[in-house]
Amino acid sequence: EDKVVQSPLSLVVHEGDTVTLNCSYEVTNFRSLLWYKQEKKAPTFLFMLTSSGIEKKSGRLSSILDKKELFSILNITATQTGDSAVYLCAAFINSGGSNYKLTFGKGTLLTVNP
Amino acid sequence: EAQVTQNPRYLITVTGKKLTVTCSQNMNHEYMSWYRQDPGLGLRQIYYSMNVEVTDKGDVPEGYKVSRKEKRNFPLILESPSPNQTSLYFCASGASRQPQHFGDGTRLSIL
Repeated sequence: EDKVVQSPLSLVVHEGDTVTLNCSYEVTNFRSLLWYKQEKKAPTFLFMLTSSGIEKKSGRLSSILDKKELFSILNITATQTGDSAVYLCAAFINSGGSNYKLTFGKGTLLTVNP
Repeated sequence: EAQVTQNPRYLITVTGKKLTVTCSQNMNHEYMSWYRQDPGLGLRQIYYSMNVEVTDKGDVPEGYKVSRKEKRNFPLILESPSPNQTSLYFCASGASRQPQHFGDGTRLSIL
């Protein structure tokens, strides 16, 4: 059974702190890993990682993938209250032929206090 | 504006009364999918479609049907809804093997 596991499940920090969110995966036919941010409504896309060791950055957020150890991390530096959200990790899996499915972890709830 | 549109946004209905949640995208994406989101269980894929007339089961397909007769539309059908299908549903679309864009969600309550 394909599994994506995120840790911690929840985290409370103060503004200005740096946080690291973890995502490990045990899936067959892995293709890529995605990170999303979900506030009150729909998840919004952050990063897609396909190759090991190449960091992707967007402002204060960055992410990297380790395909040997089967995990990814999402870093947020100098956190702000607007970073409070659920962060979702998902694995794109080839499910046969040209079919792809997406399996999500349960998410990490990040709360940033002023 | 690029978007994924779901309707209705909210629905309260009763057990056994067939319902359809529509999903439409205006980005000419090949890939469309449906998810349900439940507390403690996260987002789980129900069905996905690689292109017109090509659909496949996700992780939790029981009790649901889909169809993909046109590229832009991917309705989710509950033929005989039951209370355990009460959930928040998301439709998403994307180019093949690319990040998906999510609709705003449909909150279904089945009594």
